[in-house]
Amino acid sequence: SQQGEEDPQALSIQEGENATMNCSYKTSINNLQWYRQNSGRGLVHLILIRSNEREKHSGRLRVTLDTSKKSSSLLITASRAADTASYFCATDTEYGNKLVFGAGTILRVKS
Amino acid sequence: NAGVMQNPRHLVRRRGQEARLRCSPMKGHSHVYWYRQLPEEGLKFMVYLQKENIIDESGMPKERFSAEFPKEGPSILRIQQVVRGDSAAYFCASSPLIQGRGTEAFFGQGTRLTVV
Repeated sequence: SQQGEEDPQALSIQEGENATMNCSYKTSINNLQWYRQNSGRGLVHLILIRSNEREKHSGRLRVTLDTSKKSSSLLITASRAADTASYFCATDTEYGNKLVFGAGTILRVKS
Repeated sequence: NAGVMQNPRHLVRRRGQEARLRCSPMKGHSHVYWYRQLPEEGLKFMVYLQKENIIDESGMPKERFSAEFPKEGPSILRIQQVVRGDSAAYFCASSPLIQGRGTEAFFGQGTRLTVV
């Protein structure tokens, strides 16, 4: 199965609410990254958190990493309709940045 | 500095034809990765290349698929004798060389291959 697995598979919220997505993985990692993909488009890098970090912020995004539980969460605060997209976590376990992706969470923000 | 450029964006091939997908990495990036995304799924790693070298092709099907990254020019993912199951979005990513730890990979917009 995939190294990274996100939950929930789909999330529907109202504009202004917060959205939390979780990711679990199986093996030890060097870092974990979150990407966004709008329908039919490429991936946009959101944030990278290294294995020795526990929390990272970028604008309305907050990422946590718990290596003991092999899990990460992505929090989007004050969501906007433009945040509607699929969100993927990806782990990097080897030198050279080969990424292993989860199946993604589909987020829908209703205005 | 242009981003990762992939072309074509959309490609339609009949069963049995060949598909060639091109990827030009970001300027200064010497590492290229190819991923495949089936509908409603995440991206699956296919191959990792540096200039003139295949570093890791553990995700490539054993037959019909090949990849190269020549000294000059873009990286090419080649699929021979395409079948309907090859229909997918193919993404290329590039990254600079960072010793010891991974780094952010920059993705192209993808090539959507449809086999009819």
